[in-house]
Amino acid sequence: NAGVMQNPRHLVRRRGQEARLRCSPMKGHSHVYWYRQLPEEGLKFMVYLQKENIIDESGMPKERFSAEFPKEGPSILRIQQVVRGDSAAYFCASSPNPPGTGELFFGEGSRLTVL
Amino acid sequence: SQQGEEDPQALSIQEGENATMNCSYKTSINNLQWYRQNSGRGLVHLILIRSNEREKHSGRLRVTLDTSKKSSSLLITASRAADTASYFCATDAGTALIFGKGTTLSVSS
Repeated sequence: NAGVMQNPRHLVRRRGQEARLRCSPMKGHSHVYWYRQLPEEGLKFMVYLQKENIIDESGMPKERFSAEFPKEGPSILRIQQVVRGDSAAYFCASSPNPPGTGELFFGEGSRLTVL
Repeated sequence: SQQGEEDPQALSIQEGENATMNCSYKTSINNLQWYRQNSGRGLVHLILIRSNEREKHSGRLRVTLDTSKKSSSLLITASRAADTASYFCATDAGTALIFGKGTTLSVSS
């Protein structure tokens, strides 16, 4: 069973461009989480999705950020009109169980650099 | 928002020594988890302790939980250079795990 797959691992964008980060959860996992990590910081929760539904997006910036987890295909974190402050590592995690019941399985992250 | 805070921020020890990291949190929890992150990598789950448990072991890891003090500790015994990493505690907060800023452990040989 392959782990959580994230791509791209590294992404460079210029200010104003769009960034799309993809996450394929582990097989059988229907719960997906996105986190952001700034250098020397812990992970900040962004959004929790279950197939086709956004359950909790309380950690998402109000503008420019969106996430989806379609019935088919990977979960996508989309950042429009990127700014330098968006430079960070973005981690996806998945779980077969509802929140609060067990561990999360993390991908290796996508590192976004905004020039 | 509810958050675990690790202490110390950084810890340097010699191989063979024990490493102890502490975590404090703010509100009641269902469980508390510890994760490890090697530089440039994703997080790996180490251990989960439920709110009705006081101590748990896994190999060279020992985790304690004191819900009255809202604190937990992670002990790594007989440390190895390969234990060099950042360690995070995480508490459940409704629909998400909330992570602290972590303890960076350096083990030198």
